[in-house]
Amino acid sequence: GQNIDQPTEMTATEGAIVQINCTYQTSGFNGLFWYQQHAGEAPTFLSYNVLDGLEEKGRFSSFLSRSKGYSYLLLKELQMKDSASYLCAVRDRRYSTLTFGKGTMLLVSP
Amino acid sequence: DVKVTQSSRYLVKRTGEKVFLECVQDMDHENMFWYRQDPGLGLRLIYFSYDVKMKEKGDIPEGYSVSREKKERFSLILESASTNQTSMYLCASSLRGPRTDTQYFGPGTRLTVL
Repeated sequence: GQNIDQPTEMTATEGAIVQINCTYQTSGFNGLFWYQQHAGEAPTFLSYNVLDGLEEKGRFSSFLSRSKGYSYLLLKELQMKDSASYLCAVRDRRYSTLTFGKGTMLLVSP
Repeated sequence: DVKVTQSSRYLVKRTGEKVFLECVQDMDHENMFWYRQDPGLGLRLIYFSYDVKMKEKGDIPEGYSVSREKKERFSLILESASTNQTSMYLCASSLRGPRTDTQYFGPGTRLTVL
């Protein structure tokens, strides 16, 4: 099975940088995904890591350390529209299904 | 652009009713998934399917069944709706393959069972 932990809530200021952490314990790791979900909307894909290291995509970056069971999502130059829930999800090796963390609600204030 | 649609955004049903939630994707994806999302519990996998007429139980299949008669359509069925099935239901689809199986979600159906 999978166990995924991420903070429930975070707050940050417009223009700042914020790091959202995710730790996981899994019986068969095969990749980690980050999704963004605005209130009342569907989750949308942000990033994917399967090897150790940093993946950068514009203002968003995601890091993975498989030996530590740890990932983070880094958001730079925060904007008000970045206020959303951020979901960490681990893919199972056998079935390629995703197990999601409970999500981190990020509130960006002016 | 991947498009996943769900038959209703909001649905209100009575306890004991049979409920059908429909999901259609237009990108020829092999894999389709049904989740429910509840405050404090996150997204939980109910059922998934890797091919037509194929289904696998997820983490919380009790009280649900599914049907996949065509590749583009995946239906979630609540045989006898109960109040604890009040939730947001999300459908997702993906291509088969380790680097291509990013899941794309539909807009969700908020189901209320009275």
